[in-house]
Amino acid sequence: QTVVTQEPSFSVSPGGTVTLTCGLSSGSVSTSYYPSWYQQTPGQAPRTLIYSTSTRSSGVPDRFSGSILGNKAALTITGAQADDESDYYCVLFMGSGSYVFGTGTKVTVL
Amino acid sequence: EVQLVESGGGLVKPGGSLRLSCAASGFTFSNAWMNWVRQAPGKGLEWVGRIKSKTDGGTIDYAAPVKGRFTISRDDSKNTLYLQMNSLKTEDTAVYYCTTVKVGAACFDYWGQGTLVTVSS
Repeated sequence: QTVVTQEPSFSVSPGGTVTLTCGLSSGSVSTSYYPSWYQQTPGQAPRTLIYSTSTRSSGVPDRFSGSILGNKAALTITGAQADDESDYYCVLFMGSGSYVFGTGTKVTVL
Repeated sequence: EVQLVESGGGLVKPGGSLRLSCAASGFTFSNAWMNWVRQAPGKGLEWVGRIKSKTDGGTIDYAAPVKGRFTISRDDSKNTLYLQMNSLKTEDTAVYYCTTVKVGAACFDYWGQGTLVTVSS
């Protein structure tokens, strides 16, 4: 069974930069997996941030950026703000019509 | 404005059945590929399944934990997506979200607010 791993938590200072990663239990993440990123605050539905590795969804601030770093997908928040405090999930498209969510990263801004 | 409104959640006993609906508006539903995603209380997100548009073949794919028990369908005349859930287990307890698919980008685009399904005796 494919496991997509993310850091459990990160803390970042207001105005700081943090990079979250999304890796595969076996193998490397590439653009072929169409990595996407979602933000979720407690009690709310997720919001789409990034798709196709690095394309920002409509209305998403440019302080959010996506990339491939080494063998993982990455989400970078540059100039973190208080309302960036959320859970972040990546998703990989596994082909044959299936998707796998990452384990999620809780980001605290303080 | 795209709107997705889920309904049909509730309390059901293990082994029981439930049908969820997702009413869509603000876009051409018949052309859309749609997903169901769930989230158990205090846990992460989990993909449940996807249905393509009829013009793209209407193919349906399911995650392993629900395959054979859950059925995704759509009624394009009613702009509504469905999730029929049978043989429910306690581990199916979750908020169920419907989402659109951004075709060509293999990602979830718009999300509904979710409906809670509780499986408990």
